[in-house]
Amino acid sequence: KAGVTQTPRYLIKTRGQQVTLSCSPISGHRSVSWYQQTPGQGLQFLFEYFSETQRNKGNFPGRFSGRQFSNSRSEMNVSTLELGDSALYLCASSPSGADIQYFGAGTRLSVL
Amino acid sequence: AQTVTQSQPEMSVQEAETVTLSCTYDTSESNYYLFWYKQPPSRQMILVIRQEAYKQQNATENRFSVNFQKAAKSFSLKISDSQLGDTAMYFCAFMKLHSGNTPLVFGKGTRLSVIA
Repeated sequence: KAGVTQTPRYLIKTRGQQVTLSCSPISGHRSVSWYQQTPGQGLQFLFEYFSETQRNKGNFPGRFSGRQFSNSRSEMNVSTLELGDSALYLCASSPSGADIQYFGAGTRLSVL
Repeated sequence: AQTVTQSQPEMSVQEAETVTLSCTYDTSESNYYLFWYKQPPSRQMILVIRQEAYKQQNATENRFSVNFQKAAKSFSLKISDSQLGDTAMYFCAFMKLHSGNTPLVFGKGTRLSVIA
């Protein structure tokens, strides 16, 4: 079974731009969660989608949004990028959410 | 809110030796999971071991075992016969058991270096 796939692996953007990150979960997994990892704040939960619905949301501004498609693939969007948005963005999938989460290799976003 | 604390930012161990990584957590929940994840330089977060809070028996996965002390809210990871490939960041994580999803709450991590 293929693992969690995140694309792209690296992104470089400038302040004010917007960006979209993609996550394809393990086949059969319906829950997709997103986390932001920075040296200062560590790993922080962004949001979780299940069956195309946002089920849980972390404490991030509205510039961070996401969605999930009928095939469980998920996208995360960040608008009006700020320097502080530079981070590793990790996606994790699980069958239902209340279970082991399997992570992708992440997307490294650099905002210049 | 739950918090997870890893008090050892960095550790090192000689190859083939045993090392223990510490983790404490704070919660008022009675049903939860605890996890140890490993993140090597490749950045891929890999599950090492899971412990269900309702189980008294400590989880074991090959060279990895935990010491789960529920009353003390302590969850340490022991790595036996350390190998160079064990070099990585190790994160302790908490998940409340709930119908539907609850997110993982992570500690700040312990950077482990295995020395030849």
